[in-house]
Amino acid sequence: DVKVTQSSRYLVKRTGEKVFLECVQDMDHENMFWYRQDPGLGLRLIYFSYDVKMKEKGDIPEGYSVSREKKERFSLILESASTNQTSMYLCASSPWDSPSGNTIYFGEGSWLTVV
Amino acid sequence: AQTVTQSQPEMSVQEAETVTLSCTYDTSESDYYLFWYKQPPSRQMILVIRQEAYKQQNATENRFSVNFQKAAKSFSLKISDSQLGDAAMYFCAYRRNSFGNEKLTFGTGTRLTIIP
Repeated sequence: DVKVTQSSRYLVKRTGEKVFLECVQDMDHENMFWYRQDPGLGLRLIYFSYDVKMKEKGDIPEGYSVSREKKERFSLILESASTNQTSMYLCASSPWDSPSGNTIYFGEGSWLTVV
Repeated sequence: AQTVTQSQPEMSVQEAETVTLSCTYDTSESDYYLFWYKQPPSRQMILVIRQEAYKQQNATENRFSVNFQKAAKSFSLKISDSQLGDAAMYFCAYRRNSFGNEKLTFGTGTRLTIIP
């Protein structure tokens, strides 16, 4: 089974702190994604990466950055956390060359509270 | 840009009954995929069903089926014989069909409650 692991399920951070959310996948997928989930807004894409050291902005990249130094690992960084970044963060991965409509595999999510 | 709309924030259904969740989308593409994902309280997103736009036949997976109306850009999910384990948030999602780094675009979700 594909496994996408988010190392931290629940975090509480202070305003202004630098926050790292880590995601690791074990299926050698090229694509990795970070989504943010908020009630009434669904899932919104923050950043995605289709290769090591490659990244592209999603729909809401402001206040976030990402790092992909190894194929299996994709990190989301909040340079200076703010209370409006309190949310659920979902990591996902997918293969590049699935010919029949690939599916995306999700981690279990990281709940971040910024106080 | 593609958009996905779920107009029902909450739905409820009696156990063993049938319920339909609505989804509409907007795209200028002709080749794409549509998905329904389930997110139970554990928060693990689970793929329920997938529809390929170039296939006219509606997808089915056991008690789950879709009504795909391409011209109307409508993609509803029907759950038959509802069970307590079906209680969850349901998200409709869209993905353009191409090789490579295509993202999923999600709707805002419908919370489904099953009444015993």
